[in-house]
Amino acid sequence: AQKVTQAQTEISVVEKEDVTLDCVYETRDTTYYLFWYKQPPSGELVFLIRRNSFDEQNEISGRYSWNFQKSTSSFNFTITASQVVDSAVYFCALSEDRMDSSYKLIFGSGTRLLVRP
Amino acid sequence: KAGVTQTPRYLIKTRGQQVTLSCSPISGHRSVSWYQQTPGQGLQFLFEYFSETQRNKGNFPGRFSGRQFSNSRSEMNVSTLELGDSALYLCASSLAREEETQYFGPGTRLLVL
Repeated sequence: AQKVTQAQTEISVVEKEDVTLDCVYETRDTTYYLFWYKQPPSGELVFLIRRNSFDEQNEISGRYSWNFQKSTSSFNFTITASQVVDSAVYFCALSEDRMDSSYKLIFGSGTRLLVRP
Repeated sequence: KAGVTQTPRYLIKTRGQQVTLSCSPISGHRSVSWYQQTPGQGLQFLFEYFSETQRNKGNFPGRFSGRQFSNSRSEMNVSTLELGDSALYLCASSLAREEETQYFGPGTRLLVL
């Protein structure tokens, strides 16, 4: 069965610190997709990144970077020089390649990040 | 391009009532999915619709149902509401295939008293 684990329930950092959010996934498929979403207090899930299982290249987007390692089934997310606006709940999610092309995201339990001024 | 819209944004109902939530996807998106978010269970998949057909369904009782219209707009209905149905209901749309990204709406906060 597919599963996504975010072991860090809550992280508190001081502004400008770097912070890494961990994500470990389980799947039997060879083709799958991993996502990170941000949920600010307003509730809407904001898409951050998608990665497919065949692309292990790390990615950097501004202060955000992602480290995908199939060997450890991990897809970690790092925020460099954190800012107060980064405070939110962050979700890691998994989607598998399905024969019927249907869509289903399996979410982790989320990590609440608090960035203090 | 306008994002996913959901109506209403907030709703208060009493036990035993039924409720209908609406979702309008991003223009051109044909797949619409629904998720329930609660503090205890987290984000859970309800169902996904494509071309007016339900393609995938999560592990929820039959009180939860949905449909999709020819313009890709979707509704979900919960009958005989229970206290445990209080949640944030999120709708997401995508271009249809699993490798595509799902974009979420702001959600509908349902409180059942």
